Amino acid sequence: GENVEQHPSTLSVQEGDSAVIKCTYSDSASNYFPWYKQELGKRPQLIIDIRSNVGEKKDQRIAVTLNKTAKHFSLHITETQPEDSAVYFCAASTGTASKLTFGTGTRLQVTL
Amino acid sequence: NAGVTQTPKFQVLKTGQSMTLQCAQDMNHEYMSWYRQDPGMGLRLIHYSVGAGITDQGEVPNGYNVSRSTTEDFPLRLLSAAPSQTSVYFCASSYSGETEAFFGQGTRLTVV
Repeated sequence: GENVEQHPSTLSVQEGDSAVIKCTYSDSASNYFPWYKQELGKRPQLIIDIRSNVGEKKDQRIAVTLNKTAKHFSLHITETQPEDSAVYFCAASTGTASKLTFGTGTRLQVTL
Repeated sequence: NAGVTQTPKFQVLKTGQSMTLQCAQDMNHEYMSWYRQDPGMGLRLIHYSVGAGITDQGEVPNGYNVSRSTTEDFPLRLLSAAPSQTSVYFCASSYSGETEAFFGQGTRLTVV
């Protein structure tokens, strides 16, 4: 089955700096790659996603890049703010079923 | 529009007891899933369904049963609770395998 590895497990940045979280996947059939943000005690919520026919997608301060050849994708957050502090999960899916495979998460802390 | 509703929010069980975690969605989504979340392990898929009457196993199905008699409901049954099932459980639904998964608020289960 699919295996998703996520790095780093923790990341601390100063407010205004950029943060990058990287994920690799194993199943070349995977074609949908969402990113979820989970605040403490809350449910995961989608922040951005990308499909295999696109190499990059941007939404304001958040961007995701995908390299299908290398089987890795990354989340980029620019101009970080304290409210960006949370746990971020990457995931991969083949799309044929609701079988999202998640990475183990990255705890991002934005310090003042 | 309630989205995905899970009950209960908290539950304490004794080893060997059984219980059902309820999940309901009002978005007419065909795809529904159950995940468990443990520290440092991300979200792991327990069971999933691509429509009423259709269910399949995920990554960690042992000790859990599901059924999908209606589009709206996808209950998760713990047959004989074990301490290893202490976790936070999330139900999710989506329109398809390549669209946003909406999560319920989670159920924190403790088995003593």
